[in-house]
Formats: sequence, C-alpha cells, structure tokens
Amino acid sequence: GENVEQHPSTLSVQEGDSAVIKCTYSDSASNYFPWYKQELGKRPQLIIDIRSNVGEKKDQRIAVTLNKTAKHFSLHITETQPEDSAVYFCAASIGGYQKVTFGTGTKLQVIP
Amino acid sequence: NAGVTQTPKFRVLKTGQSMTLLCAQDMNHEYMYWYRQDPGMGLRLIHYSVGEGTTAKGEVPDGYNVSRLKKQNFLLGLESAAPSQTSVYFCASSYSSAEPYGYTFGSGTRLTVV
Repeated sequence: GENVEQHPSTLSVQEGDSAVIKCTYSDSASNYFPWYKQELGKRPQLIIDIRSNVGEKKDQRIAVTLNKTAKHFSLHITETQPEDSAVYFCAASIGGYQKVTFGTGTKLQVIP
Repeated sequence: NAGVTQTPKFRVLKTGQSMTLLCAQDMNHEYMYWYRQDPGMGLRLIHYSVGEGTTAKGEVPDGYNVSRLKKQNFLLGLESAAPSQTSVYFCASSYSSAEPYGYTFGSGTRLTVV
C-alpha cells in the first residue's frame, strides 16, 4: 500500500518567517495530495490540495508544490503568524475520494 | 447543516468492555471512514465504507468492527476493549467521484481503556 513520509516532525519559526514541510509518497499511482491543519484539541481541516496534473497551487499565504518524478510534495507557508501554529498533515490517495494515507504530522510553532 | 457528528466525545472503558462509536453525516457523502490518531503516528485508517451496506478493512482493523446500515451513519464497535485501543478516534466522510475532494472530519472521540 501507499506509504507517506513527512519531515520535519517539529518546526519552530519566528513570526513573519516562512515554513516548509516536506512529504514523500511511494505509490506512483497516487494522484491527489491534500494537506490538513489540526489545531490543538480540534479536528483536522483541509487547507489546500493539489492533483497530479498540477505542479503548484497557491492560496494566499499557503502554497503546495508537487514533483511527480521524485514523488515528493511540499507545503509552504509565508509570512507566518501565531495562528498558523498547529499540526499539519500531508496525505496521498488515488483519486480524491478513495482511502487517504496520512503522513505522521509536523508540529509547527510560530514564535511571536 | 451539522456536517459530521461523532458521539460520544469522551469515554473511559475497562479492559474487556464493549462500546460503539457513532458517526453521522448530513452531507449526503457516499464514503465514510474511521481513523485513529496516536502521538507520533498520524492518522491511521481502521475501516471504511464506500456506500450503504458496504465496509472494508483499512490499515489497522484488528479489534474493531463496523457497520453502515444507513448512508448517513457509520458505526465503529469495540467488542472487547484493550489498553492498546486508547486513542483519539476520528470519523470522516467524502464524496465518491464528485468534487470537491477532501475529507470532512468529525470532532473526535477520546477513548481511554484502563
């Protein structure tokens, strides 16, 4: 089955700096890559996703890039703010609706 | 529109006891899933369902059973709870082949088995 590895497991940045979280996947058939944000004690929420026919997608301060050849994708957060502090999960699946395999999560701390 | 609702939110069980977690969604989603979340291990799929009356095993199905008698409900059962099943359980749902993709999660159930 699919295996998703995520790095780093923890990340501390100063407010205003950028944060990058990287993930690799094993199944070349995977074609949908969502990112979820989970604030402390809350449910995971979808923040951005990308499909395999697109190399990059942006939504305000968040961007995701995908390298199909290398089978890795990354989340970029610019101009970080304290409210960005959370655990971020990458994921991969074949088709957006089939069972999704999650990475182990990155705890991001934005220091004011 | 409540989205995905999980009950109960918290539960403490003694080893060997049984319980059922209920997930209900009002978005007419075809697919439903049960995940467990443990520190450092992310979200791991227990069981999932692609439609009413159907269920399938995920990554960590042992010790759990599920049923989906109605499209909007997905039940997760623990027949004989073990301390290793102490975890936070999340239900999620999604459309089948239609966009938007992505899961909608419930608020979670924190289960402690003593």
